[in-house]
Amino acid sequence: GESVGLHLPTLSVQEGDNSIINCAYSNSASDYFIWYKQESGKGPQFIIDIRSNMDKRQGQRVTVLLNKTVKHLSLQIAATQPGDSAVYFCAENYAGGTSYGKLTFGQGTILTVHP
Amino acid sequence: KAGVTQTPRYLIKTRGQQVTLSCSPISGHRSVSWYQQTPGQGLQFLFEYFSETQRNKGNFPGRFSGRQFSNSRSEMNVSTLELGDSALYLCASSLTLSSEAFFGQGTRLTVV
Repeated sequence: GESVGLHLPTLSVQEGDNSIINCAYSNSASDYFIWYKQESGKGPQFIIDIRSNMDKRQGQRVTVLLNKTVKHLSLQIAATQPGDSAVYFCAENYAGGTSYGKLTFGQGTILTVHP
Repeated sequence: KAGVTQTPRYLIKTRGQQVTLSCSPISGHRSVSWYQQTPGQGLQFLFEYFSETQRNKGNFPGRFSGRQFSNSRSEMNVSTLELGDSALYLCASSLTLSSEAFFGQGTRLTVV
């Protein structure tokens, strides 16, 4: 049959606003989570990660929140800039502490920042 | 410090042919993973190598194979290409098996 392309969620914000991108992950045993940013024509760029023994981690202008009870991950971007426009992916991994190379990616969210 | 380097950047092949893609990890990184990215399926894990050993394998047919060399450089091979193999193939490297993965720019493969 004909394959159906992914319909990515979209988020449009004004420059200077805060952005929140959400992700539901599938494996309750996952113990490592990463957010990636992918711009057109480029590979995914690491933004921030969090391990399952934490529920919040902050970076430069970004915060990741992890809610293991409902298997939910969010990425908050403060003072969003036009250069933040990209597709954002969450990724999860369960490795039992031995391997984090096998990541399961979410479908992605398209963030568009208007000047 | 150079990032992950993938070659070639673009490739056009005919159905039935085979192709080899190359990935040079960040200097000092010993773990290399490969992913396929398509509009229909998103990013999917292919395989992971550490110290020349395949540690994990995704759910892809046996036409997809890979290897890692003693200098941590990795190659992946796809034999008997099908139209559905058209995709962006991404390589990621990490320092160890439990550290964050950094991606290259990818190889865009088009099968005609």
